[in-house]
Order: sequence, then structure tokens, then C-alpha cells
Amino acid sequence: GQQLNQSPQSMFIQEGEDVSMNCTSSSIFNTWLWYKQDPGEGPVLLIALYKAGELTSNGRLTAQFGITRKDSFLNISASIPSDVGIYFCAGDPNTGNQFYFGTGTSLTVIP
Amino acid sequence: DSGVTQTPKHLITATGQRVTLRCSPRSGDLSVYWYQQSLDQGLQFLIQYYNGEERAKGNILERFSAQQFPDLHSELNLSSLELGDSALYFCASSVATGRAGTGELFFGEGSRLTVL
Repeated sequence: GQQLNQSPQSMFIQEGEDVSMNCTSSSIFNTWLWYKQDPGEGPVLLIALYKAGELTSNGRLTAQFGITRKDSFLNISASIPSDVGIYFCAGDPNTGNQFYFGTGTSLTVIP
Repeated sequence: DSGVTQTPKHLITATGQRVTLRCSPRSGDLSVYWYQQSLDQGLQFLIQYYNGEERAKGNILERFSAQQFPDLHSELNLSSLELGDSALYFCASSVATGRAGTGELFFGEGSRLTVL
């Protein structure tokens, strides 16, 4: 199946700092999704991206669909303790809605 | 609340047994996906159904099978269970029309399977 490389694998940051993470693929994707998962719960959709170059915000979160269509980025500004969790990217290489997930970025926010 | 319902939330069983996990998609969503997540691992795609028909298969073992019923709910059957099958099993649904801009996956809260 498709390989999505997500980095960094984990992050430890101070409350109030900004966070950046990214996801890259070996092939072109038509859709990128970003999720947050709390322990023992299902992933929750944060942002959906459908066009190359698209920049979309959801509160303190901003995500971008890379111009090459092989990558996507998620930024979190002014982090707070409830941002703690695992962030996953997911991509669909075609409009058949078959999604592949990255390996996740574990975020820890130190108060 | 995503609108996707999974039952049971927790299941403990023994090796060699068979279990069935159930998923009800969001109202209006035609496509159901099953994912497996082992401890501290990512989400592994198992299988996708669209309006009752299998659309895509991922890394699903032959001991596992799934189906989607006319009312669009889906069941994942896991048989001859092994210790390594212990994991969280997630169902997700989407409209999945195949048109760009309609592909958003919404996940249920998962079924935690423990095989002893």
C-alpha cells in the first residue's frame, strides 16, 4: 500500500509555543486530511484539504496542501495542554476515497 | 460525536474464538471503512465497502471478513483469533461519492479487542 511518512515522530514543547509537523508521500494525493486522536478514542477530523496549495485554518490550527501534491503540513499556534495527543495525516491518491494514514506525531505540551 | 456507532466497545475473548464487530455509519454515508490499530501503532486499512459492495481491500487477513448490509451497517468478522489480533478496531464512514471534495472520513470510537 501507499507509504506516508509523517514527521516528527514525537514532540515535547512548552505551552504557548507553535508546532509544525508534516506528511510526505511517494505519489500524488488528491485529498489530505488531518486528525487528532486521544488515547483510547477514535481519530477526530481537524482539517480537510482538496486542492494543491490550499491553506485552511480551524482555530489555532492551519494546514496546507503542498504544491507538489505529495505533501501536507499542519501548524498549531500558541499550544495549550489540551493539544496533547497523536496527530495523523491521511491521504487519498484518487477520488475513490481510499485513505492511507501516516504513522502519527505524538505531541506533549508541558505547562 | 461523529455519528458513527461501533459495538461492542470492549471485547475479551480467547485464542481460536470468533467475534463480530458492528458499525453503523453516519446518516447518509454510503461507504464504510475498517481500520486496525495495534498498541502504539498507526491505523492499518483493512477493507472498504460502498453501498453494499466491497470497494477496496487493504492488509486484511484471510481469517477476517466483512460485509455491508442493505441498511448500510457493516460487520467485521474475526475468526481463529490469535494473541496478535488484540487491537483497537475502528470503523469510519464517508459519503464517498468519488468526486473530489467529498472525501472526509468520520471515525467511531472503536472496539477494543483483547485476545487472551
